[in-house]
Amino acid sequence: SQTIHQWPATLVQPVGSPLSLECTVEGTSNPNLYWYRQAAGRGLQLLFYSVGIGQISSEVPQNLSASRPQDRQFILSSKKLLLSDSGFYLCAWSVSENYGYTFGSGTRLTVV
Amino acid sequence: GQNIDQPTEMTATEGAIVQINCTYQTSGFNGLFWYQQHAGEAPTFLSYNVLDGLEEKGRFSSFLSRSKGYSYLLLKELQMKDSASYLCAVTDSNYQLIWGAGTKLIIKP
Repeated sequence: SQTIHQWPATLVQPVGSPLSLECTVEGTSNPNLYWYRQAAGRGLQLLFYSVGIGQISSEVPQNLSASRPQDRQFILSSKKLLLSDSGFYLCAWSVSENYGYTFGSGTRLTVV
Repeated sequence: GQNIDQPTEMTATEGAIVQINCTYQTSGFNGLFWYQQHAGEAPTFLSYNVLDGLEEKGRFSSFLSRSKGYSYLLLKELQMKDSASYLCAVTDSNYQLIWGAGTKLIIKP
C-alpha cells in the first residue's frame, strides 16, 4: 500500500534562518507531488506541485522553493524565513489530478 | 475568478443530521471532493463526485448538481468524533484543485 512520510511534525525557527522540509512517498511510482500551506483558520494554499523528477511548478511568489531530486522525494526549502512563513505545511500525492489527494501528517512551522 | 463558498462554522447535536453546503464558480469542472480535517491534523479523503446525484458511503453522503454549481455533504447519526472541518474542493478544466476555506462543524452532546 502507498504511504507518505513528512517530517518534522513541528518546527520553531528564528526569522532569517533556513528551512528544509522533506516528504517521501512509498508504494507508488511517478506520483504527482504537492506542497500546501494552511494558515490558522484558513483554506489550503497550493505552493508547489511536481509531475516528475526536476519538474516544479510554483503557484505563488514567495521566498520558498521546492525540489524533487528523486521520483518519490519532495523537498520544501527557504534560505531566510519570514514571520509570514508560519503555518501548517502539508505534502500530498496523487496518481492523477482527478483522483483524491493523500496528505502527509503535516509540519507545523512557527517562525519567531 | 475561481471561487468556492462554504459556511464558516456550523453546530449540530449528537445523533442528529447535518448538511454542509458548497457552491463553486470555476473555469470548468472535472470533479468535486470532500475532505475531513480534525484540528491539527492533515485532511483525509471522504468523497468524490463527478456526475450529478447522490453518493452514499455509510453515514456520509455527498450530492452534486453541476448545472447549479452546488454540492452538499450530509452527515447522519452524528458522533462527537465528527467534530472537524470539512473541506470542499473542485478540480477545474486545467485539473487544478481549488479549495474552499472549510466548514468547522461543532457537535454538542
